[in-house]
Amino acid sequence: DQQVKQNSPSLSVQEGRISILNCDYTNSMFDYFLWYKKYPAEGPTFLISISSIKDKNEDGRFTVFLNKSAKHLSLHIVPSQPGDSAVYFCAASLGSSNTGKLIFGQGTTLQVKP
Amino acid sequence: EAGVAQSPRYKIIEKRQSVAFWCNPISGHATLYWYQQILGQGPKLLIQFQNNGVVDDSQLPKDRFSAERLKGVDSTLKIQPAKLEDSAVYLCASSKGAWGEKLFFGSGTQLSVL
Repeated sequence: DQQVKQNSPSLSVQEGRISILNCDYTNSMFDYFLWYKKYPAEGPTFLISISSIKDKNEDGRFTVFLNKSAKHLSLHIVPSQPGDSAVYFCAASLGSSNTGKLIFGQGTTLQVKP
Repeated sequence: EAGVAQSPRYKIIEKRQSVAFWCNPISGHATLYWYQQILGQGPKLLIQFQNNGVVDDSQLPKDRFSAERLKGVDSTLKIQPAKLEDSAVYLCASSKGAWGEKLFFGSGTQLSVL
């Protein structure tokens, strides 16, 4: 039962353009969403998060959008840089109503070409 | 601030052997997590500790996996006996609070079971 899904295993964009990574979830009780970035041979690092009471959160070049009715979130990276090439995981949490454990998607590998 | 430390980085064993992983979380972090990441999948929570008590071990294969967190600091994860399907990266993470809202991950242990 895959509660968090990233249907695109990979994405390739040109440097300077926008990267859009997508994530869908099935549990309407999720109330907190996060994006993590992972480089080879390293653990995932936190990138950006959004609470279910918001529909947008911005941090520099990174913006996360949440569409609760569609159970969909997306990560926009503008402009994309070669150093952004990594695997991106979205994760969802039940927050205070549960142990708060994160459920991760399968990941999307982003390649930004110079 | 020191990050989450894990050892060893790599481990190769034969099936039916036993193996142990060690994790030292960020100082002051009350919550510690062990995740299993199989190639091509997102991290899956195995066990979550709050201080030295278990909060969630619903996805831990208890017939072969065990974990402990002595004195609410370091933790060890053990597999005995190992199976081929246990080949994965084992990630340790920690967070300040009881929720998984922002986890800090170690670099992981790459386990290969032959």
